[in-house]
Amino acid sequence: EADIYQTPRYLVIGTGKKITLECSQTMGHDKMYWYQQDPGMELHLIHYSYGVNSTEKGDLSSESTVSRIRTEHFPLTLESARPSHTSQYLCASSEYYDYGTQYFGPGTRLTVL
Amino acid sequence: GDSVTQMEGPVTLSEEAFLTINCTYTATGYPSLFWYVQYPGEGLQLLLKATKADDKGSNKGFEATYRKETTSFHLEKGSVQVSDSAVYFCALSDGGKLIFGQGTELSVKP
Repeated sequence: EADIYQTPRYLVIGTGKKITLECSQTMGHDKMYWYQQDPGMELHLIHYSYGVNSTEKGDLSSESTVSRIRTEHFPLTLESARPSHTSQYLCASSEYYDYGTQYFGPGTRLTVL
Repeated sequence: GDSVTQMEGPVTLSEEAFLTINCTYTATGYPSLFWYVQYPGEGLQLLLKATKADDKGSNKGFEATYRKETTSFHLEKGSVQVSDSAVYFCALSDGGKLIFGQGTELSVKP
């Protein structure tokens, strides 16, 4: 059973607030990912990490930042949220060499008013 | 760059109907190919995969064959159930990342 957790599941906040979306996995996976899923369902990779102290930007430019201080934890932060950040955010993890087999969390649905 | 194209949705079928969701890809190398499924309110989960040409991936009655000559990886199921209603994503591996298609929503009516 794959265990990857995201909190909160739903978040409604006002413009200008700083937020952190949490993602944790208990599988000891080296690689972790953040995707943004738009209302049309399409997935966009916004950040990924190869392991502790490694972070990379994905294919879609994002104003968010990430950190990877512990293997199991990969939080995403928005310093100043805007309505354009309203979206579904999905976290995933994989083994280093089997990156095609990714395990996804349930997602955080963010609404910025 | 590499890309994946899926058939447009939504697809609506009656229970026990035959399902095909088309997926074609463009790639410079020899990627592995995947189908992921997203049930309502959940994250994605891997449905099946194929790592080289002519491989067939299968799981839960779903099948897909890696066709290099037609650059395709179509998803099929002989008899769909209401519980198969979900969004299906085709994907390919690309340099340590996955590239996803745009997703195809399937709705199965009793």
